[in-house]
Amino acid sequence: GAGVSQTPSNKVTEKGKYVELRCDPISGHTALYWYRQSLGQGPEFLIYFQGTGAADDSGLPNDRFFAVRPEGSVSTLKIQRTERGDSAVYLCASSSPGTGGEEQFFGPGTRLTVL
Amino acid sequence: AQKVTQAQTEISVVEKEDVTLDCVYETRDTTYYLFWYKQPPSGELVFLIRRNSFDEQNEISGRYSWNFQKSTSSFNFTITASQVVDSAVYFCALRTNFGNEKLTFGTGTRLTIIP
Repeated sequence: GAGVSQTPSNKVTEKGKYVELRCDPISGHTALYWYRQSLGQGPEFLIYFQGTGAADDSGLPNDRFFAVRPEGSVSTLKIQRTERGDSAVYLCASSSPGTGGEEQFFGPGTRLTVL
Repeated sequence: AQKVTQAQTEISVVEKEDVTLDCVYETRDTTYYLFWYKQPPSGELVFLIRRNSFDEQNEISGRYSWNFQKSTSSFNFTITASQVVDSAVYFCALRTNFGNEKLTFGTGTRLTIIP
């Protein structure tokens, strides 16, 4: 079946611009996660959705970052007034409902470059 | 707080050699899950294994095996008879089970198999 998809695969923008990154999770997966991976580092948690609501947004670095999942499926990560430090690969993952500890399936990521 | 340490930044071995990747974790929670993911040059994270804190049985899957020891807070990964296709960055990750669904990743170990 189809895995997690993310668009665009690459995004180059200028400092100060607004960007939107999209994630389409695996069908039926109620949990959706956003992570950010800088070069040479492991992924770092940003936000977690259970259904339509953000259950944990403690990883968002500041108020320039915002994410939505209005219908409980596709999610959009929005970054306002981008800065060069926002350059990274943004990863989306989803997991199925369960009792806990279900594996997260990752998408290919969106590589964001802020010039 | 949760923390995962992968002290080996890079490892190179000759094809067909065995190699062990180390992972040490820290958590105060008594219920937690440990994961290993593989990130090949293509960039997409691939799930390898999940282990919960109540199951200390070692696991073998083909050429892969995992050794979980709560006494030393370690969850090491061994590849037997390594192959060039095993070349990738490997991440160990931790997730607790008290409403916080995020994965905490280590910094990864870059494994290079020399033909």
